[in-house]
This record gives sequence, C-alpha cells and structure tokens, in this order.
Amino acid sequence: KNEVEQSPQNLTAQEGEFITINCSYSVGISALHWLQQHPGGGIVSLFMLSSGKKKHGRLIATINIQEKHSSLHITASHPRDSAVYICAVEGETSGSRLTFGEGTQLTVNP
Amino acid sequence: NAGVTQTPKFRILKIGQSMTLQCAQDMNHNYMYWYRQDPGMGLKLIYYSVGAGITDKGEVPNGYNVSRSTTEDFPLRLELAAPSQTSVYFCASSYRRQPQHFGDGTRLSIL
Repeated sequence: KNEVEQSPQNLTAQEGEFITINCSYSVGISALHWLQQHPGGGIVSLFMLSSGKKKHGRLIATINIQEKHSSLHITASHPRDSAVYICAVEGETSGSRLTFGEGTQLTVNP
Repeated sequence: NAGVTQTPKFRILKIGQSMTLQCAQDMNHNYMYWYRQDPGMGLKLIYYSVGAGITDKGEVPNGYNVSRSTTEDFPLRLELAAPSQTSVYFCASSYRRQPQHFGDGTRLSIL
C-alpha cells in the first residue's frame, strides 16, 4: 500500500461542475502539498498546508490531520483546469523530502 | 525570472553511454532535488541536497550520482545508461519546509 493514495485516478467533468479530488496518507506529516502538472509536463505548487483550509481563486484545499485526509476542490471548473493534480506529503522526520501520490488526471470538457 | 532551469529537454542515449543532466536555480534556495517520473507512477526522489557540499540518497539512487559544488547548480550524472532509466527527470528547489519549484523536465530515452 502506498503511503499516499489519491482518488479518483481519472476524472472527467463538464465545464462549470464542482470537482473534488481526495488524498489519504498513512504516515504522520508536517505538511501536505497539492501540485498541478500541465499537459506539457510542467509542475507547479498550488498549496502547502498543515491544518484547516486554504483558498486561491477557484481552488480550495482542506486537510483533516486526525483522519489523515485532504481534499482539493475546484469550483466552476473550466477546460483550462484540465491537468494532473498531485498530492504529496512531508513526513514528520523527512525534512523537506516529499512522498508523492500517483496523481489524478482531470479532464474538463466544454 | 528563470527559476529552475533544466538542460537538455530531450535526449536519446544508447545503453552504456553516460551523460549529465544539468539543473540550475537562481532563487538562492538551499534545498535541491532530483526526481524521476515513470508513466502512471508518482514522482520518486533520486537524490537531494540541503546545501552546497551536502548530498544524500533518496528512494531510487542506484545508477545515478550527484554533486553540489555551488548553491545554484545540482547536476545529475548517469554513468552507464540502462533501459530502466528511461524516464522524465525533474529537478526542483526550495527553502526548507517551503513549496518546491520545479524545472520543466528532461525526457530521457535509453535504447
């Protein structure tokens, strides 16, 4: 079993839909990261959080430390949101090293 | 505003050849990382560095070497290329416990 599990693996939505991607992890962490990998391959950091909720534009990330679970929400989805979304955790004793989930491929159709 | 720069973007090697993947960052980050990404798999850490002169192994270091003589540069060396090293390689940098900044990747094929 991977330390970081994401669901679903693939997600197809219609433009305007509310999207949720889930991440569960099995180790104690100091922080959880959400990243976006564009179709061209580039990777950008979206959020880093260790508690509660963060919001940036139409993206919202939440984390429940007790349940070892995080969600990434996209409101009013748009075709330009189509990408792979990656969850990664910093273990409590791993310094800044990340352990990555396998990613969720999101396709938003117009 | 370069960020993390990786070269080359694409390369084809023959089995047994060697090469160096270059990575440079201009953000004065002390932490740097090398990852590989295989189809359908999560990113795997190859090597990382917490500062000039300090390097350490990640999850999948076999077949690779690194050096960190300056804060800016973190080259990854493949000494004897093998088909199993066909992958996309990403370099990243960060301050301690801060979001990582990624390069655009190097797509490497070994035939």
